[in-house]
Formats: sequence, structure tokens, C-alpha cells
Amino acid sequence: SYELTQPPSVSVSPGQTARITCSGDAFPKKYAYWYQQKSGQAPVLVIYEDSKRPSGIPERFSGSRSGTMATLTISGAQVEDEADYYCYSTDSSGNYAVFGGGTKLTVL
Amino acid sequence: EVQLLESGGGLVQPGGSLRLSCAASGFTFTSYAISWVRQAPGKGLEWVSGITGSGAGRYYADSVKGRFTISRDNSRNTLYLQMNSLRADDTAVYYCASPGDDGYWGQGTLVTVSS
Repeated sequence: SYELTQPPSVSVSPGQTARITCSGDAFPKKYAYWYQQKSGQAPVLVIYEDSKRPSGIPERFSGSRSGTMATLTISGAQVEDEADYYCYSTDSSGNYAVFGGGTKLTVL
Repeated sequence: EVQLLESGGGLVQPGGSLRLSCAASGFTFTSYAISWVRQAPGKGLEWVSGITGSGAGRYYADSVKGRFTISRDNSRNTLYLQMNSLRADDTAVYYCASPGDDGYWGQGTLVTVSS
């Protein structure tokens, strides 16, 4: 079955840039999406189609994709950005979806 | 306003069955493929199953194939998940979602499989 691989944790100080990676073999053909989930809440979409930002998402959130790697970048991370982040995509057929294992971002 | 409202969760014994529902409003339901996504306590998100807008295409994760059945009633704007032969490791919050470009999610319903 298809898998997306993320680092378990990333830690930065407030104001620094946080980068979270996600690797997947289908990425050259399929988009990456990024979700933020805070404790006890439903996930919130922060990046879609690799690099687009939904309305209401701060400009410090950006995304990129190159080859088999997608990256979520938080420029000038804030304490309120502490959360679990998940990448999401589909396999090459587009029929089977998958989430990465999640990355816990600590900002302190 | 887009809403996805799950219901039907609860406590069930191992080997039992449960049917989840998800009532959708605020968007053109038939235009969207919808998925069920679950999250076990303290664990990450797991895609469980997805269905195309017409209902013709149905897809399952290996962990639930042969035990779970996804369906939809487009006349009622409602998604379903029939869960049979439930196991302890099916315990999770179950979300209905359209995880792609629009990122629509419900608030989830808790399923607990325990004797």
C-alpha cells in the first residue's frame, strides 16, 4: 500500500522558520495537501495543491513540492502554530488516499 | 455554511456491527467524493474509505477491506459507513471529510470496540 513519510517531530524557537517534509513516490504526479490539527480538534487545511493557501490561513504558511518530496514551511513560526501536521495525497491511480504519519511541531 | 455532521458512534463489543452516518449541507453533495477518516486515541489520521460523487466508485484501506462498506444517498445528502466484524483496533474517532481542495471535515464520532 502507498505510504507518505514525515519526520515525527520538529522543534523551533518563536520567529524561526519551521520546515516539515513529506516523501511519497506518487508526488511527481499527485498533489500534496497539508493539515494542521490541534489537540481535541478536527484537522484544518492549511495548504492545498502543493502550494495554495485557503482563505484565512496566515501568509507565513507556504508549501512546495519537488520530485518525490513535499515541504510545508512556516516562516516566523508562532507559539500558536504548535500542533500536529499531516500531509495528505493519493496514490498514482487517484483512488486510494493516504495521510503521512504526522509531525509534532513544537515552538518554544 | 458547509456542515458535515457524523452520528452513530458508540460502544460495541468485538465482532459486532455499527453504522455511521454523515449528513452534509451547504455544498453540492453530488459533486464531491467523500471519505471516512479515523483517528485512534493518541494516533495519527488514517484514511479508511472513499466514494465518488455518483457512488459508482468505492475504495477501502487494506485494514478494513471486506469488513466495512461505504455508501451514499444523494437524495438525502448523506454518507454511510457500515462496519462489521469490529475489532479493538477499530476504536477511533471517525470523521467524514472531503480532504482535497476544499478541506471539508466533520467533528467526528467516537467508536469504541470493547467487551
